[in-house]
Amino acid sequence: DGGITQSPKYLFRKEGQNVTLSCEQNLNHDAMYWYRQDPGQGLRLIYYSQIVNDFQKGDIAEGYSVSREKKESFPLTVTSAQKNPTAFYLCATRGPVEVDEQYFGPGTRLTVT
Amino acid sequence: SQQGEEDPQALSIQEGENATMNCSYKTSINNLQWYRQNSGRGLVHLILIRSNEREKHSGRLRVTLDTSKKSSSLLITASRAADTASYFCATATRYAGGTSYGKLTFGQGTILTVHP
Repeated sequence: DGGITQSPKYLFRKEGQNVTLSCEQNLNHDAMYWYRQDPGQGLRLIYYSQIVNDFQKGDIAEGYSVSREKKESFPLTVTSAQKNPTAFYLCATRGPVEVDEQYFGPGTRLTVT
Repeated sequence: SQQGEEDPQALSIQEGENATMNCSYKTSINNLQWYRQNSGRGLVHLILIRSNEREKHSGRLRVTLDTSKKSSSLLITASRAADTASYFCATATRYAGGTSYGKLTFGQGTILTVHP
């Protein structure tokens, strides 16, 4: 987890509210990723960014939005349009292209009621 | 089945035994990676094997890759109670031009329980 901070660890929201999850890194990595994990399942890619001021949709981008204004930060907003927002959200970074492994933050567990 | 599908879904063994997990995938890959996740935590990278490699070792870990069968296996030797975790394989798909864009596709994972 070192070098990547996700806050808060637990987040509770009422249905219909937008919520923003924080992801900060001090690894000086260009690429950053947001994944969603549901119980007993693998990770699914929501959005990714390979460089500042640029990002692309992943496999399940509907109902989510991101920004990448700084290299260190890649916040994820879960909007009210996301039908099933309750999940464990993981942020990751990737170092130089030739390395290709990803480094993960500790995750934020979002519960929407 | 989905890209990066693991087998078995759950594995329960005694300390000192070996644990083998398998992963199958569908598309051409640049590399295949294995990650570990302790309950409620982030993932930790264990090992990466490139598409032109057949076997790789790291400490008690041994990974094999068979691109003709689109499958990989992770062997943990002499398991310890501390190895209890979920293990995921992740594939970096090879796109036109050979790049993977850094995107990984994860399987559903194998839950490993090692009893003391």
